[in-house]
Amino acid sequence: AQKVTQAQTEISVVEKEDVTLDCVYETRDTTYYLFWYKQPPSGELVFLIRRNSFDEQNEISGRYSWNFQKSTSSFNFTITASQVVDSAVYFCALGFQGAQKLVFGQGTRLTINP
Amino acid sequence: DTAVSQTPKYLVTQMGNDKSIKCEQNLGHDTMYWYKQDSKKFLKIMFSYNNKELIINETVPNRFSPKSPDKAHLNLHINSLELGDSAVYFCASTPQVMNTEAFFGQGTRLTVV
Repeated sequence: AQKVTQAQTEISVVEKEDVTLDCVYETRDTTYYLFWYKQPPSGELVFLIRRNSFDEQNEISGRYSWNFQKSTSSFNFTITASQVVDSAVYFCALGFQGAQKLVFGQGTRLTINP
Repeated sequence: DTAVSQTPKYLVTQMGNDKSIKCEQNLGHDTMYWYKQDSKKFLKIMFSYNNKELIINETVPNRFSPKSPDKAHLNLHINSLELGDSAVYFCASTPQVMNTEAFFGQGTRLTVV
């Protein structure tokens, strides 16, 4: 069965702190894709990153970084020096060949306090 | 130009009514989807269509009927609306393969009263 677990329902930190959002996935497929999406208070879903199962290289984009570890089936997301504008619900999602759908985690509501 | 557009953005209606949500994408993608986001923010696939053909129907009540007149459009018609249908509905599209991100519409907030 394909499943994504984001164990942290809500996180609240003070601005400028670093914060890590956890994502653990389950799949028996050898080819799969992992995604992070951001849903700000305005409600739209904003794509942040995609990783395929053959690429375990970590990625950094500005204040954002992602750590993909197949050994622990995790794809964690870190925001460095958080800002109030980072406040949103963040979703981790799993996609796989031959099944035209994304399986989403429950989401983590991140609140950055000034 | 908006890549994936849905209308309306807000829909308030009474129980028992029939309503439709429209979705159009101008990305030339082959595959389109409807996702439902419930009050707890959980996102779940409802349907996916590939080149106008239904490929996934995730145990959705048959009061929900998607229709794809062409591969750029995927509409969602809901009959006999119930209180539990209140949610945000997102349309999305991707190329045929899943190795790129899904592009989502802005969502339609449906409230059944």
